[in-house]
Amino acid sequence: SAVISQKPSRDICQRGTSLTIQCQVDSQVTMMFWYRQQPGQSLTLIATANQGSEATYESGFVIDKFPISRPNLTFSTLTVSNMSPEDSSIYLCSVAGGGNQPQHFGDGTRLSIL
Amino acid sequence: QKEVEQDPGPLSVPEGAIVSLNCTYSNSAFQYFMWYRQYSRKGPELLMYTYSSGNKEDGRFTAQVDKSSKYISLFIRDSQPSDSATYLCALGTGFGNEKLTFGTGTRLTIIP
Repeated sequence: SAVISQKPSRDICQRGTSLTIQCQVDSQVTMMFWYRQQPGQSLTLIATANQGSEATYESGFVIDKFPISRPNLTFSTLTVSNMSPEDSSIYLCSVAGGGNQPQHFGDGTRLSIL
Repeated sequence: QKEVEQDPGPLSVPEGAIVSLNCTYSNSAFQYFMWYRQYSRKGPELLMYTYSSGNKEDGRFTAQVDKSSKYISLFIRDSQPSDSATYLCALGTGFGNEKLTFGTGTRLTIIP
């Protein structure tokens, strides 16, 4: 399976600031996914990122708050904008290989907002 | 009603016991069923996946799917302390390049 690296692994930020999370994969993948894992809750899909097109956002998530870039087939970024304490969460990147391959996850970015 | 329900636990069992973890779901469009294991401060790690009703075995792990009851299970035989983790069920309507819907996860502790 693909090796997925996320940076940073954790961060503590001030409210009102923005943070960009990077996701790097060691092989080319068609689609990359960004999830949020809040304490005691399910992983929730934020958006799906295809290379060369706009990300597709799930209900409740908007591009202004979570802009996503997908410049090539091995890299994506998620920005958490104008952060508030409610954005404190783990943010996870996942990828699916070609064909009928299930999704694999990075280790996530643990974000705390003061 | 949530699309996927999973008992959050926590669940504590003695080493060597058989563990049963379960999820129920309401959307009959789900056709793919996965179990992930998540250790503290790590991302979810895929354990097993299946797309048909019945049992699928991999070593000490057995995944069971009953589509008619909309019920999936993961059994762990001869449980080990290293199995202590949070177990997440995940369901999809398509495979791979499709959104996954997760349960909340069951926190499991195996007591030596």
